[in-house]
Amino acid sequence: DTEVTQTPKHLVMGMTNKKSLKCEQHMGHRAMYWYKQKAKKPPELMFVYSYEKLSINESVPSRFSPECPNSSLLNLHLHALQPEDSALYLCASSQGTGAGANVLTFGAGSRLTVL
Amino acid sequence: GEDVEQSLFLSVREGDSSVINCTYTDSSSTYLYWYKQEPGAGLQLLTYIFSNMDMKQDQRLTVLLNKKDKHLSLRIADTQTGDSAIYFCVGGYSTLTFGKGTMLLVSP
Repeated sequence: DTEVTQTPKHLVMGMTNKKSLKCEQHMGHRAMYWYKQKAKKPPELMFVYSYEKLSINESVPSRFSPECPNSSLLNLHLHALQPEDSALYLCASSQGTGAGANVLTFGAGSRLTVL
Repeated sequence: GEDVEQSLFLSVREGDSSVINCTYTDSSSTYLYWYKQEPGAGLQLLTYIFSNMDMKQDQRLTVLLNKKDKHLSLRIADTQTGDSAIYFCVGGYSTLTFGKGTMLLVSP
């Protein structure tokens, strides 16, 4: 299995809703990432988990809450989002975080619309 | 940190060669990568080059690295309409930095 699977593919939510994005990989990768991508822009790093521990939080607002239940799963919990949070949310994984081990395999993304 | 710059748009005709250029600032980037993103899709690793190499060829793709000028290029031979996408140049040591992306448009 060489894929990163993200669900749901599309999500529409109101500003008072609580929802979650899910990501799964079975490649034995020990690092997992959340990126946010706005239209016609490059992906922006949000969070990095290494060996199931949060290693990087790029000053992301607390309305985004990541969780790594085990080495294969990564969740992003969403609460009280703003319309400007509408974007494509990409999950990625890599063997590790060191140089050469950090080749990223991306999922297809979850397209989030906040009304 | 790393800063990666690339041209934003390239238009070619089917069958021509495409060359996408990129410059980077961090000489400690051990690997440099090219990712492809088709409309509405995630990113796909196309190829990468180790920093002690000057060139890497992989079927229709040729990557050239000029370490002195911190310049990276991706050449796609015999470009096809299916190559139309955004191409991201990516560098960095542990945390990767993405360029803004080059939109390649291939016309028949």
